[in-house]
Amino acid sequence: IQLTQSPSSLSASVGDRVTITCRASQGINSYLGWYQQKPGKAPNLLIYAASTLQSGVPSRFSGSGSGTEFTLTISSLQPEDFATYYCQQFNSYPHTFGPGTKVDVK
Amino acid sequence: EVQLVESGGGVVRPGGSLRLSCAASGFAFDRYGMSWVRQVPGKGLEWVSAINWHGGSTGYADSVKGRFTISRDDAKSSLYLLMNSLRAEDTALYYCARGNNGWYNDYWGQGTLVTVSS
Repeated sequence: IQLTQSPSSLSASVGDRVTITCRASQGINSYLGWYQQKPGKAPNLLIYAASTLQSGVPSRFSGSGSGTEFTLTISSLQPEDFATYYCQQFNSYPHTFGPGTKVDVK
Repeated sequence: EVQLVESGGGVVRPGGSLRLSCAASGFAFDRYGMSWVRQVPGKGLEWVSAINWHGGSTGYADSVKGRFTISRDDAKSSLYLLMNSLRAEDTALYYCARGNNGWYNDYWGQGTLVTVSS
């Protein structure tokens, strides 16, 4: 199963609403997670099962979708949210990652 | 506090072998699936392998299948990755991660660097 993400990068300002899309080459039900990664750090789980917010993650992050199309939305971008975001599918082996979306300062 | 500490990385020649270890603490290790994920510095994440909570099921990326073997020792709360026939393209930072609510990786180590070079 291949995952694509769009856009590959985006520039945004604090307070902006940001949406990232992840598409799967075949249906994966809701077996999708979203991660945030900052330079020099390990990834951090934001969303699991497509739409469930991981404990401790701010509520401005949300996920939606099922089947082949999924979105991660940041409702109001904060300074600490500038990072790279990855989706990962767990429907079947191999548990592939998307190529990532880099969110930087406009 | 959940902690995952990887070790065993280093410099190895093409065709060589390495065994990575991941020491877990702060949770009931034998109740969780575990994964290895790698990342070339400056590049994206690549899933490598996973093993379920009792070790009865494993999975591998096509790029490592037949060369890498994942295993676990629940008595030692440790995860391993035996890497044989290493290639230059295996050079990366290798993370271990805990799978929760299925396979979602909720805790990660800081990684161990593997460099394959002659």
